[in-house]
Amino acid sequence: DIVMTQTPLSLSVTPGQPASISCKSSQSLLHSDGKTYLYWYLQKPGQSPQLLIYEVSNRFSGVPDRFSGSGSGTDFTLKISRVEAEDVGVYYCMQSIQLPRSSFGQGTKLEIK
Amino acid sequence: EVQLVESGGGLIQPGGSLRLSCAASGFTVNSNDMSWVRQAPGKGPEWVSVIYSGDSTYYADSVKGRFTISRDNSKNTLYLQMNSLRAEDTAMYYCVRGRGYWGQGTLVTVSS
Repeated sequence: DIVMTQTPLSLSVTPGQPASISCKSSQSLLHSDGKTYLYWYLQKPGQSPQLLIYEVSNRFSGVPDRFSGSGSGTDFTLKISRVEAEDVGVYYCMQSIQLPRSSFGQGTKLEIK
Repeated sequence: EVQLVESGGGLIQPGGSLRLSCAASGFTVNSNDMSWVRQAPGKGPEWVSVIYSGDSTYYADSVKGRFTISRDNSKNTLYLQMNSLRAEDTAMYYCVRGRGYWGQGTLVTVSS
């Protein structure tokens, strides 16, 4: 099974400042179809996870452009250019190179200073 | 607009059964890969079961032989039949279309 490791596990950020979360996978997430199946979700308090980024760097419908994803192979990063109060919650990276065997990182809790 | 509305959760004794439902709108369940994903209190999500648009199914080892995923195309609804429930099945259960659209979840609590 592919293990996903996120750092840091918690983050305290002043509004307007940038934030960055790292995610490393135990195996390459590059599929033979040429796509890399790495996703980023935000779970706001009391809500279900919402997709932010799919296939490393593509913003999902309605996601603000302050969110961006990058990386390749086994190393990935989510960046928030200017954190807003509504960005609080737990961020998860997820590998889905095989949908049924998708696995999540431990989560990174973002709070506002 | 894509909507997924789960129902059927509740408090159930160990060894009991529950059937979860997920009513979909804005798309057809039979032409999409549909999943159930659960999240135990304070934990990260866990993919439980998938039914592909081609009808094949998948189950996590932790639920294999106890849970059955199915869909009713006439009702545009996804189901999860859960038998022989255990305390460790306690979680919020989410219905998911593909990887991007999640319902709000239904809570299953297995306790005596």
